[in-house]
Amino acid sequence: GNSVTQMEGPVTLSEEAFLTINCTYTATGYPSLFWYVQYPGEGLQLLLKATKADDKGSNKGFEATYRKETTSFHLEKGSVQVSDSAVYFCALRLWNQGGKLIFGQGTELSVKP
Amino acid sequence: SQTIHQWPATLVQPVGSPLSLECTVEGTSNPNLYWYRQAAGRGLQLLFYSVGIGQISSEVPQNLSASRPQDRQFILSSKKLLLSDSGFYLCAWSVPTSGRGSGELFFGEGSRLTVL
Repeated sequence: GNSVTQMEGPVTLSEEAFLTINCTYTATGYPSLFWYVQYPGEGLQLLLKATKADDKGSNKGFEATYRKETTSFHLEKGSVQVSDSAVYFCALRLWNQGGKLIFGQGTELSVKP
Repeated sequence: SQTIHQWPATLVQPVGSPLSLECTVEGTSNPNLYWYRQAAGRGLQLLFYSVGIGQISSEVPQNLSASRPQDRQFILSSKKLLLSDSGFYLCAWSVPTSGRGSGELFFGEGSRLTVL
């Protein structure tokens, strides 16, 4: 079946530390891949996306590369800030079945000053 | 520009009572529409999606139902709520998948339901 697996949280880092949140997927066909972020009490916002193998998505200092050979889409940031504290969701989108988005379980990030 | 509205934002209901959450999208036509639920401490589970008026696909068996009476309106309902229905419900839309577009889903602000 189609699924997304993320590293378990919570992840606690000090400000300016390097961040990696691992994400791997299983999918039939060629999905698009996404990272969404959810700040406390809010809905989801798109952080970045990649639509084909070797694409790199980037936004707000975050990056992720679509790796077809390892079926991965790991999220990275070189220097995190307190304002990056949120829950991060990796997701894949299938182009059949109504284009539904399948999410990982989410990884909570807490950045301490 | 496109916007998505969800209401109510917060709801506290007794077990066995009915539920109606409403979602409307503005600024686009024939969107794909989705209902997700986020239970406490868990990820996002797709409940229903719709590719057109009156077309509803259910992802998981449950006591919830969805309807799409108009092109840009999506309603989540229940006749009798269970304790396990508590959670954060998110509505989302995307351009029709035939058009691909940017590929992303756009989410509403969510409705927090507490069943007591």
